[in-house]
Formats: sequence, C-alpha cells, structure tokens
Amino acid sequence: KAGVTQTPRYLIKTRGQQVTLSCSPISGHRSVSWYQQTPGQGLQFLFEYFSETQRNKGNFPGRFSGRQFSNSRSEMNVSTLELGDSALYLCASSLAGMYEQYFGPGTRLTVT
Amino acid sequence: SQELEQSPQSLIVQEGKNLTINCTSSKTLYGLYWYKQKYGEGLIFLMMLQKGGEEKSHEKITAKLDEKKQQSSLHITASQPSHAGIYLCGADWGLMDSSYKLIFGSGTRLLVRP
Repeated sequence: KAGVTQTPRYLIKTRGQQVTLSCSPISGHRSVSWYQQTPGQGLQFLFEYFSETQRNKGNFPGRFSGRQFSNSRSEMNVSTLELGDSALYLCASSLAGMYEQYFGPGTRLTVT
Repeated sequence: SQELEQSPQSLIVQEGKNLTINCTSSKTLYGLYWYKQKYGEGLIFLMMLQKGGEEKSHEKITAKLDEKKQQSSLHITASQPSHAGIYLCGADWGLMDSSYKLIFGSGTRLLVRP
C-alpha cells in the first residue's frame, strides 16, 4: 500500500507570492490533516478535512487555507507569503479521524 | 506546546543503554500518541495509548499511560543507533474544540552513540 505522498518536496518562494501544496492520502483514508513544523514553534496543527469538509482549524491567519477533493486528495494554499512561513509542511491521513495518523515526508518551503 | 511538555529535550546515550522519555499533559488525556521523526522527514507512528495503565510495546520500545498523572512514558531498552531521531508525543483531549486535531509536544532529540 502506497504511503502518503506530498508534492513538491521542496519549494523556494519570494515574499508576497502564494503557494499551493498537495497531499495524496493512503488509499481508503478519508481524513487529511495538515501541520506546520518550525524549529521555534514545533509541530502545529493547521486544519483537518474529512469528506471535503473542514472539521477543525488551528490558530493560523486566513492566509492559510485548504481544501479536499472527492478523491480525498488535499491541497493547502498560503497567500501573501511571509518569511515566517518558511517551514516543513506535513500532511497526515487516517481512516476517519486522527487515530493512527500516517504522515507524508513533508514539503519544505523556504520563503526569501 | 506548553500544554504538552516533553522531557528531556535532548538525550545522548551510549548504545546498549536504556532510556526513558516523558510526556506530561496539562489536561486529562483521552488518547496519547507517540511518533518518531528523522530530521526533516515525516513522522512515523509508533503507538497509541487510550486507557489509564495501558502499556504497549513495539520491538524494543515500550510506552505506558498514567491517566492519573496525565503522563506517558516511552522507554527504549538496549538502545541502538537506529533509535536516533526526534520522539514526539501527541495528545487528544477528547474535547469538542480539539476534535480531529493532535497537539504535539516539542519533541525529544535522541542520539545514540555507537
């Protein structure tokens, strides 16, 4: 069974630009969660989607958004990038909720 | 997150030694999850604990949940260099506003010297 895949793996953007990250969950998993990981703040929850509905959202500004498609694939978008958005963005999938979340390798975003 | 404290923050042990990592919650735990992360990579699920007193093992790693103390401990027996990485605990408090999300501790960096 293929694991969680994230694309791209690495990304360099300039301040003010926007970026879209993609996550394909494990086949059969309907829940996708996104996390941001930085050295200073650690691993922080961004949002969770199940059946194309956002069920919970972390304490991030509105510049961070996401969506889930009918095939459970998910995208997250960050608009008007700031230097502080440089981080490893991880997505995780699970069957129906947070139990035994399986993480992807992450997308490392660098904002210059 | 200060709501979930991990200790120690880092640990260097000699190969073959035993070690323990602790995770303490500020709230009653509904579920506690342990993950391992290699630097810059995704997290690998290790174990999930839900009941007070529950203890689970995976190879040489054992985790236990002390519900009363709102604490979990991860114990590695006869450590090996392959155990090196960052160990993270994640909490599920079973609260409505925290549904479907995990709050993670700051992690414990483990280095095992051959």
